Amino acid sequence: KAGVTQTPRYLIKTRGQQVTLSCSPISGHRSVSWYQQTPGQGLQFLFEYFSETQRNKGNFPGRFSGRQFSNSRSEMNVSTLELGDSALYLCASSLAQIQRETQYFGPGTRLLVL
Amino acid sequence: GQQVMQIPQYQHVQEGEDFTTYCNSSTTLSNIQWYKQRPGGHPVFLIQLVKSGEVKKQKRLTFQFGEAKKNSSLHITATQTTDVGTYFCAGGGLSGNTPLVFGKGTRLSVIA
Repeated sequence: KAGVTQTPRYLIKTRGQQVTLSCSPISGHRSVSWYQQTPGQGLQFLFEYFSETQRNKGNFPGRFSGRQFSNSRSEMNVSTLELGDSALYLCASSLAQIQRETQYFGPGTRLLVL
Repeated sequence: GQQVMQIPQYQHVQEGEDFTTYCNSSTTLSNIQWYKQRPGGHPVFLIQLVKSGEVKKQKRLTFQFGEAKKNSSLHITATQTTDVGTYFCAGGGLSGNTPLVFGKGTRLSVIA
């Protein structure tokens, strides 16, 4: 079974731009979660989607948004980029309910905002 | 809201020494999961603990879940250079579909 894939793997943007990141979960997984990872803050939860519905949202500003498609693929969007948005963005998929299910992480998208 | 604290933040050990990382939650957990992230890699699931007082072993790794289901530990016996990485715990809350809360991780360095 193919693992979680994320595109692009690396991205360089400038302040004020917007960016869209993509995540394809493991086949059969219906839950997709997004995390921001920075050296000082560890893994911070952004949001979770299940069957095209956002079920949970972390404590991030409205500039961060996401969606999930009927094939479970997910995208996240960050508008009006700030320097502090530079981070590794990880997507994780799981079979169903996030609490008890193993999270399978993708390789991440490393975003650098200049 | 639920918080998960993990200590220490960093640990440097000589190869062959033991290593332990501790995880403490502000609330009772339904389960705790442990992940390992190698340098430059992504977190990879190691194990899940569900029962109060549960102890599980994977070769040189021993995982414990506290009796009150609010704390957990990961112990590595006789570390090897392949153990290098950051170890994260992640706690699941008791209510509904709340997301896992990750600790900030313990970065382990092993000196050969």
